Order: sequence, then C-alpha cells, then structure tokens
Amino acid sequence: AQSVSQHNHHVILSEAASLELGCNYSYGGTVNLFWYVQYPGQHLQLLLKYFSGDPLVKGIKGFEAEFIKSKFSFNLRKPSVQWSDTAEYFCAVPSGTYKYIFGTGTRLKVLA
Amino acid sequence: EAGVVQSPRYKIIEKKQPVAFWCNPISGHNTLYWYLQNLGQGPELLIRYENEEAVDDSQLPKDRFSAERLKGVDSTLKIQPAELGDSAVYLCASSGGIEDTQYFGPGTRLTVL
Repeated sequence: AQSVSQHNHHVILSEAASLELGCNYSYGGTVNLFWYVQYPGQHLQLLLKYFSGDPLVKGIKGFEAEFIKSKFSFNLRKPSVQWSDTAEYFCAVPSGTYKYIFGTGTRLKVLA
Repeated sequence: EAGVVQSPRYKIIEKKQPVAFWCNPISGHNTLYWYLQNLGQGPELLIRYENEEAVDDSQLPKDRFSAERLKGVDSTLKIQPAELGDSAVYLCASSGGIEDTQYFGPGTRLTVL
C-alpha cells in the first residue's frame, strides 16, 4: 500500500525562526502534491500544490515547498514564521490513480 | 463564491442511533469527497463521487455506512447504527476535477455516547 509520512508531529518555534516540515511518500507514478493548512477553528484550506514544472513551488503567506523526485519528498518551508502561522499542516500525496492520502499532520505552534 | 457547506456542525447521539450528515459542494464541482478525521490524524477518504456515481467507496464500511449523491449535487452520508468508535469529524470536500484542488467544508463533529 502507498504511504505518506510527516516526520514532525509537533513543532514549536519562536517568531522569525525558519520552518521546514518534512513529507515523504512512496508512490512511484506521476505525482500531484499538496500542502493543506488548518488554522485554529477554521477548515482545511490549500497552502500550495505541485503538478508539474518548477519543483520549487510558492504558496500563500510566504510558504514554499520543494519537490525532490529522487527522495520522494515534498518538504514545506518558510524562512521566517509568524505567530499567525500557528496551525496544523497536512501534506497530501497520491496513493494511486486519482487517489490521495493525507499525512497525519504537523501541529505548529509559533511563540510570539 | 460560497464554499462547501456542511450540516450539522455538531452532533451528539447515543450508540445504536442513526445519524446523517449533509454536504452542499461548490457550484459546478463534479467531484465530491467524504472523509473521516480522527483526533491527531489526517483525513481518511470514505467515498468519492464523480457527479452522481460513487467511483471509489473501497474505504466505506458498508455494513453501517451509506452515502448518496442524488442529481450529482448535494450529498448525504449516513451511519446506522452508530458505534462509539464512529466519534470523529466528518469532512466533505469538492473539486472541479479529480486532479484539482480539493475545497473542504467545516466538517461535522460527531460524538457517540
């Protein structure tokens, strides 16, 4: 069965610190990759996505992610986090043709 | 543009009772998903619809769960009878195509006592 792994379950950072959240998957076919975010009290929303082309994709609020095919990874980054980035972050990866699975999520807390 | 609408937002029932959740997707979105999300976990797909056809229901526990999407718009997910382990958040999402971004509703938080 295909799998996805988010290694960091809880991350605590101070404002202005840099962020990198890992996402690794096992699917070997064509990949469409997503990062979703859930702010406290809000529903899941798209942060960024990769379908093809430049493996470095930029999303909302200064987030970016890099697709590294050889490593089956799609890590999320932000150079300088803000208190408002406190949220839970999920990567979603293919598990088959037109099927996606979500990671278990990383809960980020940014200290003001 | 209105987002995905779900109701109710919260539901508390006793075990063995039936429960139903309703979802209205974004207008024009042909693909509709139902997910289950347990605490501390990511969403897990229960069923995916393309218009009114359920094209992936392999993860739906068919002994107690059922879903329908009449006319290819609104959808209803039902549990009968509910069990304690069904306590979770039930999410509905829609997209313009099977490879497109999924837009999520606020979810229904179910508590089974």
